[in-house]
Amino acid sequence: GENVEQHPSTLSVQEGDSAVIKCTYSDSASNYFPWYKQELGKRPQLIIDIRSNVGEKKDQRIAVTLNKTAKHFSLHITETQPEDSAVYFCAGVNYGQNFVFGPGTRLSVLP
Amino acid sequence: GAVVSQHPSWVICKSGTSVKIECRSLDFQATTMFWYRQFPKQSLMLMATSNEGSKATYEQGVEKDKFLINHASLTLSTLTVTSAHPEDSSFYICMASRGYTFGSGTRLTVV
Repeated sequence: GENVEQHPSTLSVQEGDSAVIKCTYSDSASNYFPWYKQELGKRPQLIIDIRSNVGEKKDQRIAVTLNKTAKHFSLHITETQPEDSAVYFCAGVNYGQNFVFGPGTRLSVLP
Repeated sequence: GAVVSQHPSWVICKSGTSVKIECRSLDFQATTMFWYRQFPKQSLMLMATSNEGSKATYEQGVEKDKFLINHASLTLSTLTVTSAHPEDSSFYICMASRGYTFGSGTRLTVV
């Protein structure tokens, strides 16, 4: 089955700097890779996703890149703001099947 | 878009009692519902997959007699935690396979 690793587990950046979180996956059949932001006590919120036929996707300050050969994908947040502070989870999935989540990254944006 | 209503949002119960958590798809038919559990500061772990009209599929290590899942209709899936113990205290959240839509989650505290 799928196994998703995520690094780093914690990340602190200064406001305005960029943050990068990396994930690797094991199942070559996985073809959908979403990223979720979770604030304390709340449900995860989808912030961006990418399918295996695309190498990069951007939405304002957030971007995701995918390297299928190396089986890794990354989340990039530019111009970080205090409200970006949260726990971020990546996931890998063979679309239609269940998600396998990474262990999470706690991002702190320092003012 | 697709909405999954989950209730209750939080519940406190005594050890040995049972708690039922409901997830309803409000504007679509959810043939498959994934049930996840999230312990504090940890990732979301799949407990089981429920399919309408058939028995749920449980992940390894999840006791099917303790975590009863019923998916009797296309709009309702329920998770019942039976004979709850303090170690069952966790955040339980459902996700419909259609659109990968999360419910709002249930924080269970067993005292």
